Amino acid sequence: SAVISQKPSRDICQRGTSLTIQCQVDSQVTMMFWYRQQPGQSLTLIATANQGSEATYESGFVIDKFPISRPNLTFSTLTVSNMSPEDSSIYLCSVEDSGANVLTFGAGSRLTVL
Amino acid sequence: AQSVTQPDIHITVSEGASLELRCNYSYGATPYLFWYVQSPGQGLQLLLKYFSGDTLVQGIKGFEAEFKRSQSSFNLRKPSVHWSDAAEYFCAVAVSGGYQKVTFGTGTKLQVIP
Repeated sequence: SAVISQKPSRDICQRGTSLTIQCQVDSQVTMMFWYRQQPGQSLTLIATANQGSEATYESGFVIDKFPISRPNLTFSTLTVSNMSPEDSSIYLCSVEDSGANVLTFGAGSRLTVL
Repeated sequence: AQSVTQPDIHITVSEGASLELRCNYSYGATPYLFWYVQSPGQGLQLLLKYFSGDTLVQGIKGFEAEFKRSQSSFNLRKPSVHWSDAAEYFCAVAVSGGYQKVTFGTGTKLQVIP
């Protein structure tokens, strides 16, 4: 199955700043997904990123707050903009692993906003 | 829209005891069903999946799950729990082939006591 690397694994940020999370996959994939896991909560899909097109955002998430890039079939970034303490979460990158017909996840990026 | 309910937020079992984690889903047709495990500080790892066929599916680490259509359930079981099984477990449901619409339950945190 696909192997996903996420950077940074964790970070502590100041209110009002922005942070970009990187997701690298060891194989070419069509769809990449970004999830948020707030403390003690389940996973919520932020957006779906297809290479060569604008990301598709789920209800409650907007591009200005969570801009996403997908420059090629193995890489994507998620930026969390103008952060507030409510953005403190684990952000997970995921891909559709067609060989296994499942979602495969990266280890996540734990973000703390002070 | 599909939904997933994990009624147990937290479960404590003794090492060597059997385990059953409950999962109920709501979806009109036969869904794709998954169980994932998240160890502290880690991403999600797939334990097992059900798409069709035999309703008792075997997964990694000695886990199994049984799909019961009449009860809309997909409970996870293990006959003998090891201390290393302490983690959070997520049940998930997807529309057939629609990985961009995977819905996760709220998770069950498993504590294993000696």
